[in-house]
Amino acid sequence: EDQVTQSPEALRLQEGESSSLNCSYTVSGLRGLFWYRQDPGKGPEFLFTLYSAGEEKEKERLKATLTKKESFLHITAPKPEDSATYLCAVQAVNDYKLSFGAGTTVTVRA
Amino acid sequence: GAGVSQSPSNKVTEKGKDVELRCDPISGHTALYWYRQSLGQGLEFLIYFQGNSAPDKSGLPSDRFSAERTGGSVSTLTIQRTQQEDSAVYLCASAPVGHYEQYFGPGTRLTVT
Repeated sequence: EDQVTQSPEALRLQEGESSSLNCSYTVSGLRGLFWYRQDPGKGPEFLFTLYSAGEEKEKERLKATLTKKESFLHITAPKPEDSATYLCAVQAVNDYKLSFGAGTTVTVRA
Repeated sequence: GAGVSQSPSNKVTEKGKDVELRCDPISGHTALYWYRQSLGQGLEFLIYFQGNSAPDKSGLPSDRFSAERTGGSVSTLTIQRTQQEDSAVYLCASAPVGHYEQYFGPGTRLTVT
């Protein structure tokens, strides 16, 4: 069974204080690893897909990286509007559903 | 363009009643998924539709849950004889052909009293 573990559960940052979120995964053949952002009361918003170890993707202050066992979401010089829950999910090569972690809730204080 | 839409946004029902939740996927997306997000738990896969193929129902928690997709577009998730443990946010997602990322709707918050 696919397993996704995210850490930490919660992260409180000062504006401008860079940090990283971790997503460890176990999957029987990785098709893709996905990062989503979820704001309270809303559905998850797609951020990135990573397909192979060594791959990196960037969007504004966010950068996602992938190894064979884990992915990191780096937040550089965060702003209050980056406050959200960040979800990591994996998709196995023989499947189409996403298996999600529990998420990391990021709070950025001005 | 328009994203995935879901209705109603909120639904309060009494234990034992049936409910129907609706999902309108992004136009042209052939894949449609239902997930459930319970308080304190991650997103849980329920069911997957792809074109005219038989749906993957492996995530449905009991036979009280069913879903259909009409005309390859709109989908309805039906929960019969609702129980308090069915209270959750039900999320629908769709994906285009040849792409694996899924685009989510805003969800329907179901409360069973």
